[in-house]
Amino acid sequence: AQKITQTQPGMFVQEKEAVTLDCTYDTSDQSYGLFWYKQPSSGEMIFLIYQGSYDEQNATEGRYSLNFQKARKSANLVISASQLGDSAMYFCAMRGPSSGGYQKVTFGTGTKLQVIP
Amino acid sequence: DTGVSQDPRHKITKRGQNVTFRCDPISEHNRLYWYRQTLGQGPEFLTYFQNEAQLEKSRLLSDRFSAERPKGSFSTLEIQRTEQGDSAMYLCASSLVSGSPYEQYFGPGTRLTVT
Repeated sequence: AQKITQTQPGMFVQEKEAVTLDCTYDTSDQSYGLFWYKQPSSGEMIFLIYQGSYDEQNATEGRYSLNFQKARKSANLVISASQLGDSAMYFCAMRGPSSGGYQKVTFGTGTKLQVIP
Repeated sequence: DTGVSQDPRHKITKRGQNVTFRCDPISEHNRLYWYRQTLGQGPEFLTYFQNEAQLEKSRLLSDRFSAERPKGSFSTLEIQRTEQGDSAMYLCASSLVSGSPYEQYFGPGTRLTVT
């Protein structure tokens, strides 16, 4: 079975500062994928960034980067230069074979980020 | 290009009634997923389709739940004899079969309240 753990229920960050959202995972699979999604108050899940288990370099997408430490089984999201529009719930997720099918994605419980002006 | 759409956005129903939700995926996406999200939790997988075939169902999907994707385009999720525990956000997502990382694109969700 696969499990995603997000230990920070809520985080505050000052506008224009960087923030790290923690995510650890547990899996026995060798091949898996890690995702981060953003969910604003409107409810829609927005894909942010992806890291494959065999990718040697950390993924980056604009102001988002994924700090992937395979040995520690962690996949933290770093948001640089926070903006007010970054206030939302952030979910870490994993996809892999042992979740019952390669397309099934397991989500963590989320971290609520609030950006302070 | 439109994203994933879901209808209705909100549904209030009385316990014991049947409800049906619709999801229209991104047009070229052949995989479609249903998730349920309760307050304070991440989405939980319910089922997914590749084209019209339902390939996987979670144990969360009791016999009161049924999902269809008759022509491989839109999908419906029906809940029969609703219970208060069914109150949740029901999310639909779609993706392509090929092309890593197969990220799923989500719709805005249908919020169900069972009174």
